[in-house]
Amino acid sequence: DSGVTQTPKHLITATGQRVTLRCSPRSGDLSVYWYQQSLDQGLQFLIQYYNGEERAKGNILERFSAQQFPDLHSELNLSSLELGDSALYFCASSPHGSGNTIYFGEGSWLTVV
Amino acid sequence: QQPVQSPQAVILREGEDAVINCSSSKALYSVHWYRQKHGEAPVFLMILLKGGEQKGHDKISASFNEKKQQSSLYLTASQLSYSGTYFCGTEDASYDKVIFGPGTSLSVIP
Repeated sequence: DSGVTQTPKHLITATGQRVTLRCSPRSGDLSVYWYQQSLDQGLQFLIQYYNGEERAKGNILERFSAQQFPDLHSELNLSSLELGDSALYFCASSPHGSGNTIYFGEGSWLTVV
Repeated sequence: QQPVQSPQAVILREGEDAVINCSSSKALYSVHWYRQKHGEAPVFLMILLKGGEQKGHDKISASFNEKKQQSSLYLTASQLSYSGTYFCGTEDASYDKVIFGPGTSLSVIP
């Protein structure tokens, strides 16, 4: 158990809908990352937050947005869902600063039908 | 900016050794190595920092050549449990974010 908690674990929704994925980082970790992993693909970096502020952005679609709240939990919002958005979405957290281990949650499986 | 990994896939018999390489076009601050089993979360193996030495635990070790912006993961006397996809993640000096390579699929057979 990495200490990173993601909910829901599985989600099935229809095209055009909107979903929210939630992540609680490890106690004390200030950085939260979101990664997308499509079937048998690599880990695509979406976005990173540090202590409530956006720190870095990757290949995140405009239909997707995220935020980190004062209690450090984070949410990833996916809207106008398309079939191609079906993927495993990982949240990860790390302590402050560079060169720290990133701990992954178990992921949220999203299936768009 | 995504690092390059080689080989894409490798099949080993138990007890054989393997090397997985990771290279980047950017100056690196750190390299992270993870192993992922299908459908599970990536599991941290080790992190190598700029200026650091080769690291390892058990029969898995790694090196980081910061001048060449390359890292290698060494698996010796492979076990069935080593099967999975290995990802290297690179972090440059500009940001904290870690970008992962496409992965190397490693299968260990009896």
